[in-house]
Amino acid sequence: AQSVTQPDIHITVSEGASLELRCNYSYGATPYLFWYVQSPGQGLQLLLKYFSGDTLVQGIKGFEAEFKRSQSSFNLRKPSVHWSDAAEYFCAVGPSYYNQGGKLIFGQGTELSVKP
Amino acid sequence: EAQVTQNPRYLITVTGKKLTVTCSQNMNHEYMSWYRQDPGLGLRQIYYSMNVEVTDKGDVPEGYKVSRKEKRNFPLILESPSPNQTSLYFCASSLGSGSDETQYFGPGTRLLVL
Repeated sequence: AQSVTQPDIHITVSEGASLELRCNYSYGATPYLFWYVQSPGQGLQLLLKYFSGDTLVQGIKGFEAEFKRSQSSFNLRKPSVHWSDAAEYFCAVGPSYYNQGGKLIFGQGTELSVKP
Repeated sequence: EAQVTQNPRYLITVTGKKLTVTCSQNMNHEYMSWYRQDPGLGLRQIYYSMNVEVTDKGDVPEGYKVSRKEKRNFPLILESPSPNQTSLYFCASSLGSGSDETQYFGPGTRLLVL
């Protein structure tokens, strides 16, 4: 069955420190992979996506992610966190093997807190 | 501006009172979906549509209906809401071309059913 696991429910980092959010997936084919961010009270904003090619992808707001097929992972990184990065982050894989309107399968989310 | 809009953004209702949440996209996207977001569960697909008049169930369709009479609109209907449908709802759309499956999300509708 297709699934996405974000092992860390909540992470706290100091402002200026580096960040890595973990994402592992189970998928029957080469996946499309996404990271979305949800700020408090806001909708979902696409940070970055991987479809094919270079396994290190750059996104908005200084984020990057690396696709590692051997580890079924797509971890999100940022070298220096800003207070405004405090939000909930969702990893997603898709589309569904049976398409289903391009359905994305989401992880449970990781809430990021940033200490001053 | 390319966007997905939803209305209302916030809604408080009572059990059994029919309601509709509207969704509209201006990107000429083929695919549209509704998701619900619940703590610890991420987002789960309720219904989806791959074209006008083509809709189908997602993972959690019970208690919901949808329609797709026009390409840009995809309303979500709760004919008899119950408290377990209290949630945050997102509409999403994507091109559906197979080459770019990026889903674009609306701002969300927070629903409380008393």
